[in-house]
Amino acid sequence: GAGVSQSPRYKVAKRGQDVALRCDPISGHVSLFWYQQALGQGPEFLTYFQNEAQLDKSGLPSDRFFAERPEGSVSTLKIQRTQQEDSAVYLCASSRKGLAGGVETQYFGPGTRLLVL
Amino acid sequence: GESVGLHLPTLSVQEGDNSIINCAYSNSASDYFIWYKQESGKGPQFIIDIRSNMDKRQGQRVTVLLNKTVKHLSLQIAATQPGDSAVYFCAEKDAGGTSYGKLTFGQGTILTVHP
Repeated sequence: GAGVSQSPRYKVAKRGQDVALRCDPISGHVSLFWYQQALGQGPEFLTYFQNEAQLDKSGLPSDRFFAERPEGSVSTLKIQRTQQEDSAVYLCASSRKGLAGGVETQYFGPGTRLLVL
Repeated sequence: GESVGLHLPTLSVQEGDNSIINCAYSNSASDYFIWYKQESGKGPQFIIDIRSNMDKRQGQRVTVLLNKTVKHLSLQIAATQPGDSAVYFCAEKDAGGTSYGKLTFGQGTILTVHP
C-alpha cells in the first residue's frame, strides 16, 4: 500500500524566503509527527498532531515555524523568513492510532531536503 | 550533550558475518525502543521494536536486546548482506503522559557490508 509521501523532495530557498512543506500520511492514520534531521544527526522532534489537533509543538525551534493539519489528513510545515540554520531534512511520520491506542509504529516519509542559501 | 556532527560511529563487516550495533539511552523513563534503518536519501525504515517489559525480541535475521540496568540497547543482524548497508538509529519513547509518543533518536551508526 501507499506509504507516507512528502513534497517537494528538494527545496532551495534564499534566506528570508517563506517555504511550505507538505506531508501526506498513510490513509486513516490518526497520529502525525514532524521531525528535523540535520546532516549526520538523528531526527529531532518538532511537533505532533492527533487528527487535526496539534497536541505538542514543543520541538518547534522558533515562532518562524508553523504547522497545520486542518482536516486531519494532509499536513503542512511552514517556515517563514528562512535562515541558513534551517537547512536540514524535514521528515514526516504517521502512526495508525492516537494516544489512547497505546504505542504504535511510526512510519516515515522520504523527507524534504531544504537548503537555504 | 556533545554534538556528533558528521563523525558517526562506523561498523564495517564482511558479507555473511553477524553485526552488532549498540546504543546507549539516557532516559530511564523510556518504555518503548525502536531500531530504524536509513538509507541515503530516504526516510527511516522501521526494523524492530521492543517494550521495556522485555529484554529480547527476535525478528527475521534481527534481534534486539534491552538492558535496562545499564540503559543499553543492541541490534544484532545475522548473516549481514550488502543491502543492509545503511545508517542505523535507535529511538526511544518516554512513558510520560506529555510525551505524545514522540521519539528521541540516538546518534546513529554507519554499517558498511563488503561483498
